[in-house]
Amino acid sequence: DIQLTQSPSAMSASVGDRVTITCRASHDINIFLGWFQQKPGKVPERLIYAATTLQIGVSSRFSGSGSGTEFTLTISSLQPEDSATYYCLQHFTYPRTFGQGTKVEIK
Amino acid sequence: EVHLVESGGGLVPPGGSLRVSCAAFGFSFSSYEMTWVRQAPGKGLEWVSYISESGQTTHYGDSVRGRFTMSRDNARNALYLHMRSLRVEDTAVYYCVKGSWIDDFGQGTLVTVSS
Repeated sequence: DIQLTQSPSAMSASVGDRVTITCRASHDINIFLGWFQQKPGKVPERLIYAATTLQIGVSSRFSGSGSGTEFTLTISSLQPEDSATYYCLQHFTYPRTFGQGTKVEIK
Repeated sequence: EVHLVESGGGLVPPGGSLRVSCAAFGFSFSSYEMTWVRQAPGKGLEWVSYISESGQTTHYGDSVRGRFTMSRDNARNALYLHMRSLRVEDTAVYYCVKGSWIDDFGQGTLVTVSS
C-alpha cells in the first residue's frame, strides 16, 4: 500500500500568513493526489484534485503543487475560516490512502 | 445538487454484523463509482472501500478486507456496506462518497461497536 506522510502534524499561524503543508508519498503517484479540508464537527470537503486542480467554488487562495512523491498545499493568505484539519489522499491506486492530517490553528 | 444520505448506523456488540445504506440524489448514480470512508472519534479519515459503476469491481482497505462487503442497487440509487465480525476499532462515522477520487461526502452515520 502507498503511505502518505503529512508535515507538519499541527501548526499555528497568523491571519494573512502564507501557509504550506507537505504530503510525501512512499511511491510515485504521478499527479494523483487530492487535498481535503475538515472543519470541527463538519463533513470533509475536497479543495484540490489531481495535485493542482482547484475544486469549483473553492477560494483561489488555496493552491496545490507537486508530482511524483512530494506535494504541497498552500494557503496564500490565511483567513480565520481556514482553521481546520487538512488531509491529502492518493487516488493513484487501490487501496486509496489518506495522510494523517495537519491541524491548522489561527494565532 | 449532489445529496448523499446514510442510514443504518447504531450500537452493535463485538463480533456482530450491521448493514449501513446510502441513498443518492441529484446525479446519475449508475454512472459513478462510489466509495465508503470512515472516521473514528477524534481520529483522521480512513478509506474503506470502492465499487465500480456496475458493481462488478470492488476494492477494500486492509483493515476491513474479508469482513466488509460493498454493494449497490442502481435501480434504487442505493449503496450498501455490509459489515460482519465487527471490532471495537470499527467504531466510526461512515461516510458515503461519490466518485473514486472522493468528490462529495454524505453527512455520515455513526457505527458504535461496544459490549
